[in-house]
Amino acid sequence: EVQLVESGGGLVQPGGSLRLSCAASGFTFSSYSMNWVRQAPGKGLEWVSYISTSSSIIYYGDSVKGRFTISRDNAKNSLFLQMNSLRDEDTAVYYCASDWSYAFDRWGQGTLVTVSS
Amino acid sequence: QSALTQPRSVSGSPGQSVTISCTGTSSDVGRYNYVSWYQQHPGKAPKLMIYDVSKRPSGVPDRFSGSKSGNTASLTISGLQAEDEADFYCCSYAGSPWVFGGGTKLTVL
Repeated sequence: EVQLVESGGGLVQPGGSLRLSCAASGFTFSSYSMNWVRQAPGKGLEWVSYISTSSSIIYYGDSVKGRFTISRDNAKNSLFLQMNSLRDEDTAVYYCASDWSYAFDRWGQGTLVTVSS
Repeated sequence: QSALTQPRSVSGSPGQSVTISCTGTSSDVGRYNYVSWYQQHPGKAPKLMIYDVSKRPSGVPDRFSGSKSGNTASLTISGLQAEDEADFYCCSYAGSPWVFGGGTKLTVL
């Protein structure tokens, strides 16, 4: 069974840091580019970041550029998102999603990040 | 990059057809044939319903279809069923970023 399981969310103060993880199973993780997509409470979806299979190509959305860092470990079938200088507006459920023809075909269940003092 | 424009809500009765529009620009929807659609039930993760404008992933009923004309993409759901009630989001590749629509709430009357 294909699974993506996010972890690492929680409550953090503004200006703080958090590292999200996404554990993949049931498919050949190293063959798929990966993304992080987030959803603020009661709001729509926002693409956050992309990483290619070999980590050679990385993109970020304008709202997180310079603060977030995406990475992956193919040997451990894992995707990561290091989030620094967190702001109130970063509060959201963060999903990891695999890439298929420039679409997001498999999604995890999400992990909630709350930025608040 | 601005969000794609979707109607806030649409509705239809069981058995009817509904169409959800998604309007972008010549830099995203109009430029790339990489429009995708996602269904999201409350409290659940999004599910890919359409990719490459009109292709359906395995397991998605053929009641769901996608199309594009110029800067506007559309998702049509025919033979509406109660379980189709959900939020729907369009998304377009736009170069290095991807851009989503604001979402459309589908109500099955």
